[in-house]
Amino acid sequence: KQEVTQIPAALSVPEGENLVLNCSFTDSAIYNLQWFRQDPGKGLTSLLLIQSSQREQTSGRLNASLDKSSGRSTLYIAASQPGDSATYLCAVRGSGSNYKLTFGKGTLLTVNP
Amino acid sequence: EAQVTQNPRYLITVTGKKLTVTCSQNMNHEYMSWYRQDPGLGLRQIYYSMNVEVTDKGDVPEGYKVSRKEKRNFPLILESPSPNQTSLYFCASSFRVDRGRGTEAFFGQGTRLTVV
Repeated sequence: KQEVTQIPAALSVPEGENLVLNCSFTDSAIYNLQWFRQDPGKGLTSLLLIQSSQREQTSGRLNASLDKSSGRSTLYIAASQPGDSATYLCAVRGSGSNYKLTFGKGTLLTVNP
Repeated sequence: EAQVTQNPRYLITVTGKKLTVTCSQNMNHEYMSWYRQDPGLGLRQIYYSMNVEVTDKGDVPEGYKVSRKEKRNFPLILESPSPNQTSLYFCASSFRVDRGRGTEAFFGQGTRLTVV
């Protein structure tokens, strides 16, 4: 059974700092990994999708890497802003017949002005 | 605009009163699924559908039903809601992995359900 762990559970940083969020998964047989952002009580906004054959993806100040063999992904946020404050979720899509997304419990990020 | 639309966004109901949460997508996705999100437990899959008339149980299907009569719609039915089904519910859609197309998952805005 796939398990996804996100570390740290919460992170508080001053504005302008670069930061890294970590995601690890137990079963390396995945199709892809997706990072989401969730604001309190709101829906999930897709940030980056990395296919299993890729090593990284970039969008603006965000960069996500994937090391499938070691079961790890990182989300790098450059020059953080207060508007980046949210919960960041990592999800892996399995290769079983279900193709379901298995989520980590998220990292709550607070960027202080 | 590509989107997944859920309704209602908020719902308060009483124990045992049947309800339906609708989900519709406009991206011609084959794969649709329902998740619930609870504090400390994260997001867990309830049901999924690979295509029209093809549905199956996820990790926490007890107390829920679904149907997939049209490709774009995937309603979640609670025939006799109980307080332990109070949660935040999300519908998601994507292309099927085995179709060889992009499999980015798109989520609806969520339905906050309270059962009293």
